[in-house]
Amino acid sequence: SSELTQDPTVSVALGQTVKITCQGDSLRNYYASWYQQKPGQAPILVIYAKNTRPSWIPDRFSASNSGTTASLTITGAQAEDEADYYCTSRDSSGTRVLFGGGTKVTVL
Amino acid sequence: QVQLQQWGAGLLKPSETLSLTCGVNGGSFGDYYWTWIRQPPGKGLEWIGEINHSGIINYNPSLKSRVTISVDTSNNQSSLKLNSVTAADTAVYYCARAKFWPKIYWYIDLWGRGTLVTVSS
Repeated sequence: SSELTQDPTVSVALGQTVKITCQGDSLRNYYASWYQQKPGQAPILVIYAKNTRPSWIPDRFSASNSGTTASLTITGAQAEDEADYYCTSRDSSGTRVLFGGGTKVTVL
Repeated sequence: QVQLQQWGAGLLKPSETLSLTCGVNGGSFGDYYWTWIRQPPGKGLEWIGEINHSGIINYNPSLKSRVTISVDTSNNQSSLKLNSVTAADTAVYYCARAKFWPKIYWYIDLWGRGTLVTVSS
């Protein structure tokens, strides 16, 4: 498959939980990684290697995987979590990289 | 702290060649996938291509005919060239360092700050 599909926008009330999904056939073979991007900034890594957070990412961020769907969950969303989130993985052949279209998370 | 610094021309005319270089400060160059990504204004991320520590190069099929990615290991630098640019190539271009192990986890652990390249006559 040559696509990763994300919902364009989601909103969450302050302190509540939001799940962002990423769908694609390649996710049967490769785990997704997740990135957060705020306006005017480069993306930063949020989750990699199934469900591993870099040291600078708070533990309210977690990931899960099932079949062709990868999910990023923010438990207790904070105002500073408002950003665009992108998933990425290799394609099914392993020779290309796919990006999801991104999900804009709004914290209300 | 390892950083990626990138440089190159930010304003091009149609049909010219985009040329960007990315240097690694404070870290090794080996055992990674050196990756280029772009983001048109207001749009999502698009993978351009990569070169790994073994010299294997992969390109986005939609750009393959115009793109060249190379590395200079003696200077810890990666370079991107995109020829015959048009206004559609206007974007922020990022260099990035990725890992791919053990061939099921692929992720970018380090990003450059990005270079806005504008193509305009």
